[in-house]
Amino acid sequence: DVVMTQSPLSLPVTLGQPASISCRSSQSLVYSDGNTYLNWFQQRPGQSPRRLIYKVSDRDSGVPDRFSGSGSGTDFTLKISRVEAEDVGVYYCMQGTHWPPITFGQGTRLEIK
Amino acid sequence: QLQLQESGPGLVKPSETLSLTCTVSGGSISSSSYYWGWIRQPPGKGLEWIGSIYYSGSTYYNPSLKSRVTISVDTSKNQFSLKLSSVTAADTALYYCARVASHYSGNYHWGQGTLVTVSS
Repeated sequence: DVVMTQSPLSLPVTLGQPASISCRSSQSLVYSDGNTYLNWFQQRPGQSPRRLIYKVSDRDSGVPDRFSGSGSGTDFTLKISRVEAEDVGVYYCMQGTHWPPITFGQGTRLEIK
Repeated sequence: QLQLQESGPGLVKPSETLSLTCTVSGGSISSSSYYWGWIRQPPGKGLEWIGSIYYSGSTYYNPSLKSRVTISVDTSKNQFSLKLSSVTAADTALYYCARVASHYSGNYHWGQGTLVTVSS
């Protein structure tokens, strides 16, 4: 199975400041079709997860443009340009390239400082 | 509007079988090109993919759980189910059902989740 490793696991951020989460995979996530199936999810307190970013950098409909994804191969990053109160929650990276199984990172808990 | 609702016992004894049902409304479980899956989340921990069933009936399971898991579909009731045998306290988790448009891109429509506790 592909192991997804996130850092940091806890991320205290001041409102209005940027935030960055790293995700590394144990093997390349480039699929035979040329796509890289690295996705990011947000889980707000008490809610089901919600996808924010798919295929490294494509933002889902309704996701604010302060969220962006980047990376390639085995190294990926989720950035929030200016953190807002509604961004509090846990963020997960997830790989779909080598499913089954799909695998998630451990999660990064973002809190307001 | 598509909705998924998990249901089943909230408490299961060790060594017994956990059984959950996901009822789908606002869409047909027989729709082509969709998978129907289960993901769980132990309290305070991360997400673990359990497995999925394709509309054609093909099943895909997490190797770590494969020997204990069965996912099935009941098209007459527009439901799909999860059975996890020989449970232990480690199986205590919030169990989510989801419609999966793509495992590759993580295109999941999630239910609200149901908490199952394994305890005697």
